[in-house]
Amino acid sequence: SQTIHQWPATLVQPVGSPLSLECTVEGTSNPNLYWYRQAAGRGLQLLFYSVGIGQISSEVPQNLSASRPQDRQFILSSKKLLLSDSGFYLCAWSVGTGGGNQPQHFGDGTRLSIL
Amino acid sequence: AQKITQTQPGMFVQEKEAVTLDCTYDTSDQSYGLFWYKQPSSGEMIFLIYQGSYDEQNATEGRYSLNFQKARKSANLVISASQLGDSAMYFCAMREREYSGAGSYQLTFGKGTKLSVIP
Repeated sequence: SQTIHQWPATLVQPVGSPLSLECTVEGTSNPNLYWYRQAAGRGLQLLFYSVGIGQISSEVPQNLSASRPQDRQFILSSKKLLLSDSGFYLCAWSVGTGGGNQPQHFGDGTRLSIL
Repeated sequence: AQKITQTQPGMFVQEKEAVTLDCTYDTSDQSYGLFWYKQPSSGEMIFLIYQGSYDEQNATEGRYSLNFQKARKSANLVISASQLGDSAMYFCAMREREYSGAGSYQLTFGKGTKLSVIP
């Protein structure tokens, strides 16, 4: 069965520090991968998605970036965090081929607090 | 305009009763998909049920069913026989251009409804 791992679960970082959040998927090949951010009490906002190694699409301009160095690895990064980067970050995957009825499956999320 | 509207910020339901969570959507696409997710207080997003725009029957998954009214652009989630473990945030989401192969993989989420099940 497929599983998705996301870490760390909680992170407290000072303003201006770098960020690296990692997400890996097991049990499937060539998945579509996604990074979302959820502000407190709000819905999810898509930040990045990837349909293959090295292929990244950005949905929201910001100081964050994403990379996909391996088929089942998705990394969210920042060189200098801002206070507004605080939030709950979720990684998700979906089947890479097939119909649009495939749901996205989410990791457990990372709670990022910027001080 | 919002693409997904969930008008109920919070709902209460008595244990073992049924509850309907509202979702209306806005799209000009003919092909789209609608999803419901549950988010417990621990934070993970759990996929519950899917409805395609061309599906003629309402989707059902166990205690979850989707009341799909295409003309009204509504996709309400019905939870039957509520349990205490159903207390969570519930999000409606839409994927547009589902079958066109245009590569639109975005899910647009509503702001959610917080469901509280009362013993």
